[in-house]
Amino acid sequence: AQSVTQLGSHVSVSEGALVLLRCNYSSSVPPYLFWYVQYPNQGLQLLLKYTTGATLVKGINGFEAEFKKSETSFHLTKPSAHMSDAAEYFCAVRRYNQGGKLIFGQGTELSVKP
Amino acid sequence: DVKVTQSSRYLVKRTGEKVFLECVQDMDHEKMFWYRQDPGLGLRLIYFSYDVKMKEKGDIPEGYSVSREKKERFSLILESASTNQTSMYLCASSFGGAGMNTEAFFGQGTRLTVV
Repeated sequence: AQSVTQLGSHVSVSEGALVLLRCNYSSSVPPYLFWYVQYPNQGLQLLLKYTTGATLVKGINGFEAEFKKSETSFHLTKPSAHMSDAAEYFCAVRRYNQGGKLIFGQGTELSVKP
Repeated sequence: DVKVTQSSRYLVKRTGEKVFLECVQDMDHEKMFWYRQDPGLGLRLIYFSYDVKMKEKGDIPEGYSVSREKKERFSLILESASTNQTSMYLCASSFGGAGMNTEAFFGQGTRLTVV
């Protein structure tokens, strides 16, 4: 069954530095992949999604992710971190054979230092 | 804007109580989901429903049941609450059909404490 693994439960960057959050997927068929963000005491908000077509996906708040089939990866990046980016980030995949269940990774907490 | 509303933000219940968590969406979505979120474990799927009166178990259904009598409402039931069910519960909804590329929309979450 399709699944995702996020590498690193905590990532800390300085303001203005590159943000890189890692996600690897497991799927024998082309996956549908998503990145969500969760700010403290809130629900999840969609950042971006990959379906088919262009491998570089642009999302909200300056984030983007690149789908790399050869590496089974869908890492999330942002060129310059802002204090407001501090949040928890989740990678997710749809499961084809189970009614389209949306399955999440363990999450990565991003801290941004001034 | 899509709105998914969970009936309570914070809830405190006693061990052994029957607990109802309610979720309502206003976008005529076919699919609805219940997750629990625990530190270090991410979101784990408890149950989901792909249509009225239809439900499927997720990865951790033990100790829970669900009800979907109307399309817009999906209820999570803890038959006899236990302390290990203390958690954040998140409801979500999405379009159904062949919409594998459609995202899910989330409620604000209910933080349940069982004492």
